[in-house]
Amino acid sequence: EAQVTQNPRYLITVTGKKLTVTCSQNMNHEYMSWYRQDPGLGLRQIYYSMNVEVTDKGDVPEGYKVSRKEKRNFPLILESPSPNQTSLYFCASRVRTGELFFGEGSRLTVL
Amino acid sequence: AQSVTQLDSQVPVFEEAPVELRCNYSSSVSVYLFWYVQYPNQGLQLLLKYLSGSTLVKGINGFEAEFNKSQTSFHLRKPSVHISDTAEYFCAVSDYSGYSTLTFGKGTMLLVSP
Repeated sequence: EAQVTQNPRYLITVTGKKLTVTCSQNMNHEYMSWYRQDPGLGLRQIYYSMNVEVTDKGDVPEGYKVSRKEKRNFPLILESPSPNQTSLYFCASRVRTGELFFGEGSRLTVL
Repeated sequence: AQSVTQLDSQVPVFEEAPVELRCNYSSSVSVYLFWYVQYPNQGLQLLLKYLSGSTLVKGINGFEAEFNKSQTSFHLRKPSVHISDTAEYFCAVSDYSGYSTLTFGKGTMLLVSP
């Protein structure tokens, strides 16, 4: 089954404690992306990657890092999380025609 | 750069009534257009997409949308809604240049009541 898998789905952490949200897709898509969803703001892109070892900033990259060492994986790293990074995070991958396939989301709370 | 405006943050409607969710976009180039649906506590799934060809696009669950280039709109419609259509709906746009960013609107919450 074609899917994008994120882990963890739910996480509560404290300010400053590094964390990684993993993302893996099995559709051989070149393009992968991370979004955060906040009430009233919709989805905002954090980072995206057009291929292995190619990443670029989206609209809200501050406080986040990503890496793309393999085609299927695109982890999101929060080196020093802060409460304003409390949000619902989505990983997605896509084909060239723009249709995005989303993971089920990771709800992160930073205390 | 492109942008998307969803004019209504919430649309309340009674079951079996018709509904239209409005979406306007701005872009200096030709675009692809999408509607996604997010059910409570779930990820986003594609409802329908416009890439080219017929301006009337049919999607899943009885939804359809019409691309209007002159009005830069892509409104979503359903002739008769069900309780199960209660969800948040997102309009999105990307331009033709390969892997350009997919830009989302802020979403419209469709609330269907009996």
